[in-house]
Amino acid sequence: AQTVTQSQPEMSVQEAETVTLSCTYDTSESDYYLFWYKQPPSRQMILVIRQEAYKQQNATENRFSVNFQKAAKSFSLKISDSQLGDAAMYFCAYRRGTGTASKLTFGTGTRLQVTL
Amino acid sequence: DTGVSQDPRHKITKRGQNVTFRCDPISEHNRLYWYRQTLGQGPEFLTYFQNEAQLEKSRLLSDRFSAERPKGSFSTLEIQRTEQGDSAMYLCASSLTRRPFFGQGTRLTVV
Repeated sequence: AQTVTQSQPEMSVQEAETVTLSCTYDTSESDYYLFWYKQPPSRQMILVIRQEAYKQQNATENRFSVNFQKAAKSFSLKISDSQLGDAAMYFCAYRRGTGTASKLTFGTGTRLQVTL
Repeated sequence: DTGVSQDPRHKITKRGQNVTFRCDPISEHNRLYWYRQTLGQGPEFLTYFQNEAQLEKSRLLSDRFSAERPKGSFSTLEIQRTEQGDSAMYLCASSLTRRPFFGQGTRLTVV
């Protein structure tokens, strides 16, 4: 079974600074997708960034980028120029690539605080 | 609002009562998922529908839980004889391709 591990329950970053959230996963599959989701308090979970395992290039979305190390099964999220609105729970998630209906397996999350 | 809609947002019920939640997916999304999220944890998969067919169920989904998606549109999740351990956030997600969109969830408190 696939597992996703987020070893940082909480992280804090000053506004305008950069922070990296860690995620490791375990799978025997070669075709899969990795995601970072953001869950603000009492609000819905939204997709931050997605990485296809077959792509060597790290995904980027504006201030968000990932460091995907396939051999090490590591998938960290870097948030640059942190803003107060980035404060939320961040979940790393995995899904198999075969077919289009596979469920997501989530980590336990990292709570990010952004301070002035 | 064209996002995934869940109703109710909050539900408090007494132990032993039955509850039903509703999820309206994004229009034309043929795939619908239910997840459960307990405090301090990430969401855990419960079940999945493609159109009206329930194609996968987690072992977490005991026989007290049942989900339906008649006509392949909205879905309901029913919990019978609720227990305190059922207290959680129940999330619904829908997708057309490989990217699921989540609703805001229904927070269930069993007292």
